[in-house]
Amino acid sequence: EVQLVESGGALVQPGGSLRLSCAAFGFTFSDHYMDWVRQAPGKGLEWVARIRNKAESYTTEYAASVRGRFTISRDDSEYSLYLQMNSLKTEDTAVYFCARAGSGFFDYWGEGTHVSVSS
Amino acid sequence: QAVVTQEPSLTVSPGGTVTLTCGSISGAVTSGHYPYWFQQKPGQAPRTLIYDTNNKHSWTPARFSGSLLGGKAALTLSGAQPEDEAEYYCSLCYSGLRPVFGGGTKLTVL
Repeated sequence: EVQLVESGGALVQPGGSLRLSCAAFGFTFSDHYMDWVRQAPGKGLEWVARIRNKAESYTTEYAASVRGRFTISRDDSEYSLYLQMNSLKTEDTAVYFCARAGSGFFDYWGEGTHVSVSS
Repeated sequence: QAVVTQEPSLTVSPGGTVTLTCGSISGAVTSGHYPYWFQQKPGQAPRTLIYDTNNKHSWTPARFSGSLLGGKAALTLSGAQPEDEAEYYCSLCYSGLRPVFGGGTKLTVL
């Protein structure tokens, strides 16, 4: 059974850093592109970042709102996806979901981890 | 200004049919925008229903279908059930296949 489990969410002050993790189970992680998507409280979904697989040289893409502050990475040996978030702003407050690309993008989603940026 | 537009809310009667649409301010939506449709219930993660305009996942109920209609992507629900009450999001891909989500449609089954 495919499962994605996010962790690492926390309360952090503006300007601070946080690293989110997404553990993958039930599929060959290295084969798949992976994404991070976030949802601010009471708001809609916002795509954050994508990392492709080894065959595509692990290339990455970012939403304009996080480019230069966030870094997506992966460790295929650990079946894990990461999101390093630096220079956090209050507007980064959201639930962060990881999602797998399989049959199209976002075929499986995790349950999310909460990030709150506040002083 | 939202790039991807959706109806803020719609209501459908149980057993009825409703069509949700997903438009682009830059012009007509085509299959090249790779339209996706997602269902999200309160407190839950999104679930992908439709990918690449009209493809269903194994978990997508048969009563949901995707299409292109009048220059927009469309999600049609035929035979609405109470459990279909949810927020529905679409996404379209622009440059570099970067997805942009719509603001969501709150569907009420009443």
